[in-house]
Amino acid sequence: GDSVTQMEGPVTLSEEAFLTINCTYTATGYPSLFWYVQYPGEGLQLLLKATKADDKGSNKGFEATYRKETTSFHLEKGSVQVSDSAVYFCALRWGNTPLVFGKGTRLSVIA
Amino acid sequence: DAMVIQNPRYQVTQFGKPVTLSCSQTLNHNVMYWYQQKSSQAPKLLFHYYDKDFNNEADTPDNFQSRRPNTSFCFLDIRSPGLGDAAMYLCATSTSGTYEQYFGPGTRLTVT
Repeated sequence: GDSVTQMEGPVTLSEEAFLTINCTYTATGYPSLFWYVQYPGEGLQLLLKATKADDKGSNKGFEATYRKETTSFHLEKGSVQVSDSAVYFCALRWGNTPLVFGKGTRLSVIA
Repeated sequence: DAMVIQNPRYQVTQFGKPVTLSCSQTLNHNVMYWYQQKSSQAPKLLFHYYDKDFNNEADTPDNFQSRRPNTSFCFLDIRSPGLGDAAMYLCATSTSGTYEQYFGPGTRLTVT
């Protein structure tokens, strides 16, 4: 079945460091791909999405590119802030089917 | 603002005492989902409604039930909560033909 694998955390970075969180997926065909962010004590918020190969999703300085050749959707940000500390979930979805989530990566940014 | 609302945000119940969690939405979305999220884990889908059609995940315990009396509201009933049911419960919505699921803030359930 479909699955999402993302790098295990926690990831600890200093403020203004470069962030990469790796995500790869296994699926037949080309699902839509998402990154969700969960701040402490809150629900999930959609951070960005890409619905077809080579699409780049971006939001709040975060970017991810849908790479079908490597079945990847890595999350990047050039300069992280303390307020970016959260858990990040990579996910895929086909049409109206429920999301398939990765296990999440906890990011801690220290000043 | 259109949104997904969950009440209460924090719920404490006793072992074996039935509890109901509530979700409402002002988005007029036809699909509603309930997820269980335990500490440091990904959300796990319990069930979802596509319009009035109920879809139960194969590994969702019988202890968990759901009701959707109308488009706007959906309830999660836990008939006999055990200590292992302590978790964050997330409600989400989506609409046919779109990609995004909108999540509520969650209800954190504690079982004593």
